[in-house]
Amino acid sequence: DGGITQSPKYLFRKEGQNVTLSCEQNLNHDAMYWYRQDPGQGLRLIYYSQIVNDFQKGDIAEGYSVSREKKESFPLTVTSAQKNPTAFYLCASRDRLAKNIQYFGAGTRLSVL
Amino acid sequence: GQSLEQPSEVTAVEGAIVQINCTYQTSGFYGLSWYQQHDGGAPTFLSYNALDGLEETGRFSSFLSRSDSYGYLLLQELQMKDSASYFCAVPSWGGATNKLIFGTGTLLAVQP
Repeated sequence: DGGITQSPKYLFRKEGQNVTLSCEQNLNHDAMYWYRQDPGQGLRLIYYSQIVNDFQKGDIAEGYSVSREKKESFPLTVTSAQKNPTAFYLCASRDRLAKNIQYFGAGTRLSVL
Repeated sequence: GQSLEQPSEVTAVEGAIVQINCTYQTSGFYGLSWYQQHDGGAPTFLSYNALDGLEETGRFSSFLSRSDSYGYLLLQELQMKDSASYFCAVPSWGGATNKLIFGTGTLLAVQP
């Protein structure tokens, strides 16, 4: 089945530690996105990528980094510079021709120890 | 800038009809989308309106009025499984880029 896979489902970060969230898609989509969702809130864009080897900052990129070395993969690193990382992180992808539909993974819930 | 406003919570009973409103302010407008998210789950696409009027998909319908910068999602014959958060979203296009701006979401509670 085609879809977006995020791992792990739950992740714990120690203070001062960098952690990486995985996002893989087999939908052959060009565009991929990372969102952060806080309790009772909407989705805020962290980073997005339109094509391989290219990505842009979203609205809340500080303390995060990404890479897009392969079309299928768009990992997000939460660095120690992100002082409030506890949130639900969602990865999404979009087909080049269906510009208004994004497909989401099941999310990673990150907590701080 | 761009912003979308939705009510934070709506409560309705099983079998009823409920309307979730969304007003938006955008520098350019390319359509209004709706997404459903169950607690702790992934948002899923429900509908998209590019032009004024009503789009119907089964029990769900979505309406857009571009002159009023307003849209709504209409859910009919409510079922318990419809309890979820509903987000309106508008695309923000700049050159070759495309990203979605999401509203803060409306939590729908369906009661028996």
